[in-house]
Amino acid sequence: GEDVEQSLFLSVREGDSSVINCTYTDSSSTYLYWYKQEPGAGLQLLTYIFSNMDMKQDQRLTVLLNKKDKHLSLRIADTQTGDSAIYFCAESPWGSQGNLIFGKGTKLSVKP
Amino acid sequence: DSGVTQTPKHLITATGQRVTLRCSPRSGDLSVYWYQQSLDQGLQFLIQYYNGEERAKGNILERFSAQQFPDLHSELNLSSLELGDSALYFCASSVGKTGSSETQYFGPGTRLLVL
Repeated sequence: GEDVEQSLFLSVREGDSSVINCTYTDSSSTYLYWYKQEPGAGLQLLTYIFSNMDMKQDQRLTVLLNKKDKHLSLRIADTQTGDSAIYFCAESPWGSQGNLIFGKGTKLSVKP
Repeated sequence: DSGVTQTPKHLITATGQRVTLRCSPRSGDLSVYWYQQSLDQGLQFLIQYYNGEERAKGNILERFSAQQFPDLHSELNLSSLELGDSALYFCASSVGKTGSSETQYFGPGTRLLVL
């Protein structure tokens, strides 16, 4: 069945790198997404990667995609306290017609 | 700010009641999606409209319905409310209709509490 898995919690120190991992199930997914949700706020699109790419870098964010293992990761360099939030991985299987399938989210806590 | 607006921000109501949530998509976007975020189920896709027509349906209960109007805003109607309907309801929008290759931008959500 369709299921996107993420670990629930990650704690890092300010200035360190954070790596949030995700496994997805549908190899037909054309795009894979990372969304950020701050407390009491909506979902902010952080970045996405097209399925024919292995890596995408966007300032402090690096997305790595391993299609063989259906594994996606988000690395945040020089993590700041403002990065504390819940990070959601989402896949969009071909033929789903708009259905984004989300993981449960990883809560990132950044300690000063 | 994603450009997607949702009203109201918070809603408190009683079991058995009916409520309407409203969403305005980003300028130029023709697709509107509705999602429900609850503690047990996480984020789940409910329904998509494209240019006024229903395009895709997810885990939407029969007590729930939606529509998209000619000005492209959308409303999600929730009726015969139950305690378990308490959740955060998100609207998202995208330019086109092929959701799997479209980037969706989310609104701030409407937090519904059913007492």
